[in-house]
Amino acid sequence: QSVLTQPPSVSGAPGQRVTISCTGSSSNIGAHYDVHWYQQLPGTAPKLLIYGNNNRPSGVPDRFSGSKSGTSASLAITGLQAEDEADYYCQSYDSSLSGFYVFGTGTKVTVL
Amino acid sequence: QVQLVQSGAEVKKPGASVKVSCKASGYTFTGYYMHWVRQAPGQGLEWMGWINPNSGGTNYAQRFQGRVTMTRDTSISTAYMELRRLRSDDTAVYYCARGSDRYGEFDYWGQGTLVTVSS
Repeated sequence: QSVLTQPPSVSGAPGQRVTISCTGSSSNIGAHYDVHWYQQLPGTAPKLLIYGNNNRPSGVPDRFSGSKSGTSASLAITGLQAEDEADYYCQSYDSSLSGFYVFGTGTKVTVL
Repeated sequence: QVQLVQSGAEVKKPGASVKVSCKASGYTFTGYYMHWVRQAPGQGLEWMGWINPNSGGTNYAQRFQGRVTMTRDTSISTAYMELRRLRSDDTAVYYCARGSDRYGEFDYWGQGTLVTVSS
């Protein structure tokens, strides 16, 4: 029942740049609510990667960057590394009756 | 350092209840909201609700209204999530996550608690 849509998978060779889109609507991203991104390595809990659309917590490499425009947001990974292979989720707030905090459908990043 | 440590895995029968705990340390427990998020096997993340540890106030996702209760015990810096009338599709890993005071993001997560519902 996710209201934020992400591509199921993206892939790239080591060193390449990949982007993950997160498409919402006028009740969430388009309503100027902030977007956050999480990385989930296999078998582990999610970890905060980007907050407030484009801010990195301490310790997150600057290879990761976020942006937001209109009803969508994007996560970019430059200089892709093997350790970046994981699931990535966007998250925002939704003002409709469907829920308050909403997650994206998730994207599996594969390093070729 | 901030840590959220959750209780261990549970196996429950359909119709039963489960109560998961989340013990916080390394920060002022009453200063940050605590959220609960679940993840069914092979599926994405689903927000369930939050509790304000200071006031005890709660807010639940519509689909869990009437079946979930979030509580806290400030004396031991622990939050709880109880889910009732369990069904097989409640089988999931349940996470607690701290709500940041910056932009409301979930900045620290517990390790997760697997709840299996099976007859």
